[in-house]
Amino acid sequence: DAGITQSPRYKITETGRQVTLMCHQTWSHSYMFWYRQDLGHGLRLIYYSAAADITDKGEVPDGYVVSRSKTENFPLTLESATRSQTSVYFCASRAPGLRTKFFGPGTRLTVL
Amino acid sequence: TQLLEQSPQFLSIQEGENLTVYCNSSSVFSSLQWYRQEPGEGPVLLVTVVTGGEVKKLKRLTFQFGDARKDSSLHITAAQPGDTGLYLCAGKTGANNLFFGTGTRLTVIP
Repeated sequence: DAGITQSPRYKITETGRQVTLMCHQTWSHSYMFWYRQDLGHGLRLIYYSAAADITDKGEVPDGYVVSRSKTENFPLTLESATRSQTSVYFCASRAPGLRTKFFGPGTRLTVL
Repeated sequence: TQLLEQSPQFLSIQEGENLTVYCNSSSVFSSLQWYRQEPGEGPVLLVTVVTGGEVKKLKRLTFQFGDARKDSSLHITAAQPGDTGLYLCAGKTGANNLFFGTGTRLTVIP
């Protein structure tokens, strides 16, 4: 399907486990982003990538790892999940020079 | 951290009423965006304002960027149940620095 997709849509895991959230876009947008959305905080940027093999930290990167080996994929890994990482995670992409950012449907992650 | 305060946090109104949502900050932004988010979905961009004092209209929605580019407002005329959702403002300070407000959850009662 065309667009931006995230998987899984829902995930429950335990403290200390490694979790990877997937993001895939079909537009070949060079920019991709990961946000988390929490009550009282709005959306906060975790990491972003300007192109394949180029990533940079956002506002709240601690406890997260990203990679971008292919333009269309931007996985987010929680190496050792903590309860504070319970959140809804959104991936987004945009083309360079344009202001419109397209968001995926989100992944609701619960860390027990 | 660029703090963007939105008010009110929650708003419940009757169909046909008018409303205004505010987005305020002490920071200056190069541009400001408004998004609408429905349950279980990601935010969808409604508008981008760039120039201080700029006003943009999208059907019954009117967006204004403050003269000093620190604040913005969203006015909805004759609200419809389809306007129900979470409205987010987001201010941009650099190439990839987009800071989101905490959102206003609007419910329009038929």
